[in-house]
Amino acid sequence: QSVLTQPPSASGTPGQRVTISCSGSNSNIGSDTVNWYQQLPGTAPKLLIYSDHQRPSGVPDRFSGSKSGTSASLGISGLQSEDEADYYCAAWDDSLNGVVFGGGTKLTVL
Amino acid sequence: QVQLQESGPGLVKPSETLSLTCTVSGYSINSGFYWGWIRQPPGGGLEWIGNIYRSGTTFYNPSLKSRVTISIDTSKNQFSLKLNSVTAADTAMYYCTRARFSDYWGQGTLVTVSS
Repeated sequence: QSVLTQPPSASGTPGQRVTISCSGSNSNIGSDTVNWYQQLPGTAPKLLIYSDHQRPSGVPDRFSGSKSGTSASLGISGLQSEDEADYYCAAWDDSLNGVVFGGGTKLTVL
Repeated sequence: QVQLQESGPGLVKPSETLSLTCTVSGYSINSGFYWGWIRQPPGGGLEWIGNIYRSGTTFYNPSLKSRVTISIDTSKNQFSLKLNSVTAADTAMYYCTRARFSDYWGQGTLVTVSS
């Protein structure tokens, strides 16, 4: 049981926009920033979004992040086949004094 | 270019201690940032293990705290993980990262706990 809640799966067709949600509480998302990671099959996770909505250098602007209250979202526009991956959200939790992750969302490009 | 590389035994016996080292290149860990360990069981999600700062300040996952020690050696630009009294549930891919955003990751090392 993960502290942050994500849907286990999501899907879309090429060119579509998909959104992946991440729900938490006042002790994590509600009080600290959210990071998102993309994990392609057989590889280490890669930082996709940090501090709620910032993109590291090299991450396409098709990827966007937002946050409201105790929930955050990852948006992927212009969906491509290479976006098929697992996506994880993470945040610092003040109550646990540590990093908490969502359970991950498997994105399928139909 | 910052690079991290995990090293250590790929097989550990139950009840023994798992020991891994992360060697950092392209950046001096003495320059700042927290450094951390994250693991992922086969077919499972990511689990944060803990972070350490150059000063030696640590933060641990409460569920693992009684069994985990993370240390740092700035002279070797390395930090290490020890997890004692391991069981099959500790079988996982272990990643080292540059916290707090985990913007750089090692490739990961698979540790299997089995007799």
